[in-house]
Amino acid sequence: DTGVSQNPRHKITKRGQNVTFRCDPISEHNRLYWYRQTLGQGPEFLTYFQNEAQLEKSRLLSDRFSAERPKGSFSTLEIQRTEQGDSAMYLCASSLQTGELFFGEGSRLTVL
Amino acid sequence: AQSVAQPEDQVNVAEGNPLTVKCTYSVSGNPYLFWYVQYPNRGLQFLLKYITGDNLVKGSYGFEAEFNKSQTSFHLKKPSALVSDSALYFCAVRDIETSYDKVIFGPGTSLSVIP
Repeated sequence: DTGVSQNPRHKITKRGQNVTFRCDPISEHNRLYWYRQTLGQGPEFLTYFQNEAQLEKSRLLSDRFSAERPKGSFSTLEIQRTEQGDSAMYLCASSLQTGELFFGEGSRLTVL
Repeated sequence: AQSVAQPEDQVNVAEGNPLTVKCTYSVSGNPYLFWYVQYPNRGLQFLLKYITGDNLVKGSYGFEAEFNKSQTSFHLKKPSALVSDSALYFCAVRDIETSYDKVIFGPGTSLSVIP
């Protein structure tokens, strides 16, 4: 068990560029979650998957955000046409059915 | 819709004293409740959970939490605080009876343990 892995750990980009983050969950976990966290705040729910199915997407999420989990394994979170307000830590977590979430170390996005 | 409140942004406690970090929740059905800790520039680490059964649950690093259904609370406690307990603490709730049972986090409480 190598835990939840996120890449890259830090991404610096210019406003208007597209960025993609990858999350590799714990192998036997069928649920995968994406959260966004800004400094000193709680994780804000973005979306989550059960296997390859995306079950819910936050209404706060603009159409510039998209997530996929092909084949129910790793997941990607893409942000198109980044804005400075997108600067945050993007957290991925995985879990079994209704158990606790196991988090990765996060991917920090800085939009200049 | 489910929600979590942590009424205190900051809790300060002297080393060796007992600590309490408060959490209240709102769900439409029966909740699964969790506490997580976050150290600077790190991901969230699971501390403990309440699913069913005994209202007092014990977790990692000597922490425990008490589930109170009538008050819809799940306060985190530790009998004797350590300086190394200083961190951000997040309460979370999963509403297992609504569709999709996503996990929602509270805004967090910063705990400072003073030597």
